Amino acid sequence: KAGVTQTPRYLIKTRGQQVTLSCSPISGHRSVSWYQQTPGQGLQFLFEYFSETQRNKGNFPGRFSGRQFSNSRSEMNVSTLELGDSALYLCASSPTGVGEKLFFGSGTQLSVL
Amino acid sequence: QQPVQSPQAVILREGEDAVINCSSSKALYSVHWYRQKHGEAPVFLMILLKGGEQKGHEKISASFNEKKQQSSLYLTASQLSYSGTYFCGTVNSNSGYALNFGKGTSLLVTP
Repeated sequence: KAGVTQTPRYLIKTRGQQVTLSCSPISGHRSVSWYQQTPGQGLQFLFEYFSETQRNKGNFPGRFSGRQFSNSRSEMNVSTLELGDSALYLCASSPTGVGEKLFFGSGTQLSVL
Repeated sequence: QQPVQSPQAVILREGEDAVINCSSSKALYSVHWYRQKHGEAPVFLMILLKGGEQKGHEKISASFNEKKQQSSLYLTASQLSYSGTYFCGTVNSNSGYALNFGKGTSLLVTP
């Protein structure tokens, strides 16, 4: 089985721009979670989707949004980028997401200049 | 709702033991442990469920004290390959389907 695929791998944007990141989960996995990783802050939960529905959202501003498609692929969008949004964005998938092992992608490294 | 991990960092010699702790202010349903090596994605180690069931790794063990809302990861006879950052993740009554991770514990095993 192919693993979790995230695209693009690296991204450079400037302040004020918008960005969309993509995540393809493992085949058969219907839950996709997104995390922001910055040095010293660990993995901070952004949101979790299951069957196209957002079930939970972390403590991030409304500039961070996401969606999930019927094939379980997910995208997250960050509008009006700020310097502090520079981070590694990781997505993880699991069959149903409830108390299960997560499979992480390699992440998208976003740099905001 | 982010759990608190301690210590922040630890350096070991090969063959030594280490304990990493994770605590939460909320009642926990489950605790998850992951390891991330530099430049790589986090990799699952173990899940500890409320009620005592443990699912996970052969060579690394963990405990889950539900009353104290704490978990500890035990690394015995450490190997060079144990080096990395260890994250605990918790699911609690308020987090719904969210797995909230701590800030991580950096572990370096030296020869």
